[in-house]
Amino acid sequence: DVKVTQSSRYLVKRTGEKVFLECVQDMDHENMFWYRQDPGLGLRLIYFSYDVKMKEKGDIPEGYSVSREKKERFSLILESASTNQTSMYLCASSLTLQLSSYEQYFGPGTRLTVT
Amino acid sequence: AQKITQTQPGMFVQEKEAVTLDCTYDTSDQSYGLFWYKQPSSGEMIFLIYQGSYDEQNATEGRYSLNFQKARKSANLVISASQLGDSAMYFCAMREPGGSYIPTFGRGTSLIVHP
Repeated sequence: DVKVTQSSRYLVKRTGEKVFLECVQDMDHENMFWYRQDPGLGLRLIYFSYDVKMKEKGDIPEGYSVSREKKERFSLILESASTNQTSMYLCASSLTLQLSSYEQYFGPGTRLTVT
Repeated sequence: AQKITQTQPGMFVQEKEAVTLDCTYDTSDQSYGLFWYKQPSSGEMIFLIYQGSYDEQNATEGRYSLNFQKARKSANLVISASQLGDSAMYFCAMREPGGSYIPTFGRGTSLIVHP
């Protein structure tokens, strides 16, 4: 079974702090994704990575950066956390982006509260 | 404009009855894929079912079936014989070449199954 793990289930940070959210997958997947989930808005893509050291902006990259130094690990960084970044953050991975291998595997999510 | 539209923020169903969750999509591509995910209160996204745009048969996975109407651009999820454990958020998603095959999610439908 594919396993995607996230470093924390719940996190509380103060405004202005630098925040790191870590995601690790164990199936040698090429692609990794960070989503933000808010009630009534569904999942919105922040960044994705299709290879080590490669990244692409998603729909809402402002206020975030990412790092992928190793294939199995994809980090989301909030350079200076703000209260409007309070949300659920979901990491996902997929083998390829081809429709023939279509499934995304998700981690359990990190619920971040910025006070 | 939204690529994926889920018009039902919340749905209620009696245990053992069937329920249909609506999803319409917007794409100009001929080749695309449609997905449904379940998110229980624990937070983890669980892949349920996939429909390719060229698949002639509606997809089925156990109690889940996808009512695919290509001309109407709809991909409704049908859950037969609802169980209490089906209470969750349900998300419809699409992958298309025009979006670099990055999944786009709808805003979700909250399903509550009553005993």
